[in-house]
Amino acid sequence: EAGVAQSPRYKIIEKRQSVAFWCNPISGHATLYWYQQILGQGPKLLIQFQNNGVVDDSQLPKDRFSAERLKGVDSTLKIQPAKLEDSAVYLCASRHQVGYTGELFFGEGSRLTVL
Amino acid sequence: RKEVEQDPGPFNVPEGATVAFNCTYSNSASQSFFWYRQDCRKEPKLLMSVYSSGNEDGRFTAQLNRASQYISLLIRDSKLSDSATYLCVVNEDSNYQLIWGAGTKLIIKP
Repeated sequence: EAGVAQSPRYKIIEKRQSVAFWCNPISGHATLYWYQQILGQGPKLLIQFQNNGVVDDSQLPKDRFSAERLKGVDSTLKIQPAKLEDSAVYLCASRHQVGYTGELFFGEGSRLTVL
Repeated sequence: RKEVEQDPGPFNVPEGATVAFNCTYSNSASQSFFWYRQDCRKEPKLLMSVYSSGNEDGRFTAQLNRASQYISLLIRDSKLSDSATYLCVVNEDSNYQLIWGAGTKLIIKP
């Protein structure tokens, strides 16, 4: 079974530039998450989708971050304009909707450096 | 926002020793609990779900104490390969909104 695919793996940009990350979850997984993980910290949820609807985006900085999952499959996360503090790993995870015990599967992450 | 707290460590433990660490959570209505393992510069992976009755998987034992609102992870006969960050995760509601701890770093030394 193919895992969660993310791209790009690494991205270096200057502040005020824009960047987009792409995620393709495991086939059939209804729930998709985008997390931001800063070095030494746990993952911080940015947005959670259930199919193509948003379940939770309360911690998404909406003035600069946006995300979509138009067809309920793959998803993109965009940052525009980027700030220095956005330097982090952006992790995409997916889960098959099976009650409370469903495991989250993560992609390898997209490491962003903002200069 | 509800919180999940962990001792960041690092826990420096000799190979073969037993190590345990806890994770406290603030929402008494939390539904389910998990330990994830994250190797350096890698993505988190599920280690164990934590059941009310406690559960064991080889050298790993997870316990839940609802009264005191913490979960624990015990690792027996630790191996060098157990070196990693262990993340505590709490599911708060039926939307499966997960709250993550910051992780406990474990270093097993030969």
